[in-house]
Amino acid sequence: NAGVTQTPKFRILKIGQSMTLQCTQDMNHNYMYWYRQDPGMGLKLIYYSVGAGITDKGEVPNGYNVSRSTTEDFPLRLELAAPSQTSVYFCASSYWGGAGDTQYFGPGTRLTVL
Amino acid sequence: AQTVTQSQPEMSVQEAETVTLSCTYDTSESDYYLFWYKQPPSRQMILVIRQEAYKQQNATENRFSVNFQKAAKSFSLKISDSQLGDAAMYFCAFGARNQFYFGTGTSLTVIP
Repeated sequence: NAGVTQTPKFRILKIGQSMTLQCTQDMNHNYMYWYRQDPGMGLKLIYYSVGAGITDKGEVPNGYNVSRSTTEDFPLRLELAAPSQTSVYFCASSYWGGAGDTQYFGPGTRLTVL
Repeated sequence: AQTVTQSQPEMSVQEAETVTLSCTYDTSESDYYLFWYKQPPSRQMILVIRQEAYKQQNATENRFSVNFQKAAKSFSLKISDSQLGDAAMYFCAFGARNQFYFGTGTSLTVIP
């Protein structure tokens, strides 16, 4: 199993550009999550999904969009990138979800917006 | 709103010694979970240990154990027989109702 994979590993965007961060898991997990980690801070939940076709907001959803058309994929879309979105983005998945389940994290995408 | 506070930005420990990392949290939820995650230089987050709030018994995973004080809303991590591979950032986290909140982390250095 590859676990949770994320692409790209690094990306530099100009202000106002858009991009999609890809996340794929091969563990047949139902729940998937997107977090951002700003320098010197903990992770903040952006969006999560409890299954294909179902998504919900986390703590910091503004400026992002998600979709979940398959169990495996959970892309994160940034529209009109802003410097405040400079961060490391982590995708995670868990099997049965809920606050007690173990989350498996991807290696992260480092995004810089200039 | 839920908050997680780690008051120790940096800690160090001699190899083979014991170290305790502190974490406090604030919540009005009655059903929740607490976690310690390790983030090595590779950046990949790894679950170290998990505690269910409804369990009074402290969780233990090999050299890692927690001291969970529910009334005080405290959740510290004890690492025994520290090893060089334990050097990493450690994050305390809180989960309830599909929402998760992380502290700002403690950087642990292990001195040979």
